[in-house]
Amino acid sequence: AQSVTQLGSHVSVSEGALVLLRCNYSSSVPPYLFWYVQYPNQGLQLLLKYTTGATLVKGINGFEAEFKKSETSFHLTKPSAHMSDAAEYFCAVSASASGGSYIPTFGRGTSLIVHP
Amino acid sequence: GAGVSQSPSNKVTEKGKDVELRCDPISGHTALYWYRQSLGQGLEFLIYFQGNSAPDKSGLPSDRFSAERTGGSVSTLTIQRTQQEDSAVYLCASSLGVGTGKGELFFGEGSRLTVL
Repeated sequence: AQSVTQLGSHVSVSEGALVLLRCNYSSSVPPYLFWYVQYPNQGLQLLLKYTTGATLVKGINGFEAEFKKSETSFHLTKPSAHMSDAAEYFCAVSASASGGSYIPTFGRGTSLIVHP
Repeated sequence: GAGVSQSPSNKVTEKGKDVELRCDPISGHTALYWYRQSLGQGLEFLIYFQGNSAPDKSGLPSDRFSAERTGGSVSTLTIQRTQQEDSAVYLCASSLGVGTGKGELFFGEGSRLTVL
């Protein structure tokens, strides 16, 4: 079984400020972790992913996330927010199930609001 | 095609009517997924296909929901006797295979269903 908890349904930051979106996961086997972004009236697109190897992963648009196994966390950060970063962000976890399938489980999402 | 295509983008229907939602995955992707996105509820997994086979239908909310995939390509999600609680955005995604990509999905823009 796997699950994802995103702390905070809304996060508000000023333009230029640090962005921190929190994600904690639960998985009985080694997980693969993802962050997706959804702009208004669009589908989700992949920001970054952790599969194996380096625990600090870099994604598009200056975002990065660090896999911390001891804390079961995969928080998303960006040093300096832009107005264009305003969107809904989803954390997802997938792990091998019976038959070798990987079906991602998504968090409830965090809406990032960027103030001028 | 270049991306996952869903139709219709918007559907307004009356309670009790049947609706069909269509998904055309990325060419060459053998796995196809359906999720439901309700306001504030994140993404709820409905069903996935590997080829034309759907090994696990337990995510479908009720027996009013069904899905099929033909020719290893296009999929249709059918909701019979729609209810107001069915109102949501239905997202389709595809991947190279349910065991490959480790859960990285490519999403369509969704079909917004409103049941009056």
